[in-house]
Amino acid sequence: AQKITQTQPGMFVQEKEAVTLDCTYDTSDPSYGLFWYKQPSSGEMIFLIYQGSYDQQNATEGRYSLNFQKARKSANLVISASQLGDSAMYFCAMRDYNTGGFKTIFGAGTRLFVKA
Amino acid sequence: DTGVSQNPRHKITKRGQNVTFRCDPISEHNRLYWYRQTLGQGPEFLTYFQNEAQLEKSRLLSDRFSAERPKGSFSTLEIQRTEQGDSAMYLCASSRIQGTSYEQYFGPGTRLTVT
Repeated sequence: AQKITQTQPGMFVQEKEAVTLDCTYDTSDPSYGLFWYKQPSSGEMIFLIYQGSYDQQNATEGRYSLNFQKARKSANLVISASQLGDSAMYFCAMRDYNTGGFKTIFGAGTRLFVKA
Repeated sequence: DTGVSQNPRHKITKRGQNVTFRCDPISEHNRLYWYRQTLGQGPEFLTYFQNEAQLEKSRLLSDRFSAERPKGSFSTLEIQRTEQGDSAMYLCASSRIQGTSYEQYFGPGTRLTVT
């Protein structure tokens, strides 16, 4: 069965430092996609980065990079040079392309606090 | 893109009443999703439309819930005989196929409070 696990309920990081948010997943489908979303206090989910299961290289989008370790089934988000505006909830999500239908499942999230 | 819009943004209703939410996706997006998010949790998938066809429904979507997308544009989510457990944020998202990423764009959500 599909499952996403985020074990860090809350994380603190100093402004301008890098931070890693952990995500592990479980699936038996060889074809899947992994996503990270940011949810600020306003409530809107903002797409950050995507990694496909067959992608050879780790995804990067500006200050965001995804540390994809397929054998360990982990997809950690790395935010470099943290900014105060990065304070938000962060959700890891997954979609199985062969067996999962059209649904995306989300983890419970990690709340990131960036300190000045 | 004007983004995904949802109305109303907030709804307070008494238990037993019916409520209806509306979602307007990004205009060229043919895929539309509804999610429910309770406090401290990630969004949970409710249902999916491709154009006007409802192709998937979660077991979370009880008989009191119904969703429509009559012309393949906007969608409505109705909850009949609301219960306190229905209190949550209801999120709508839309997407089109972009390579294989299937990126979803989310609306601001409708927060439902059942008293």
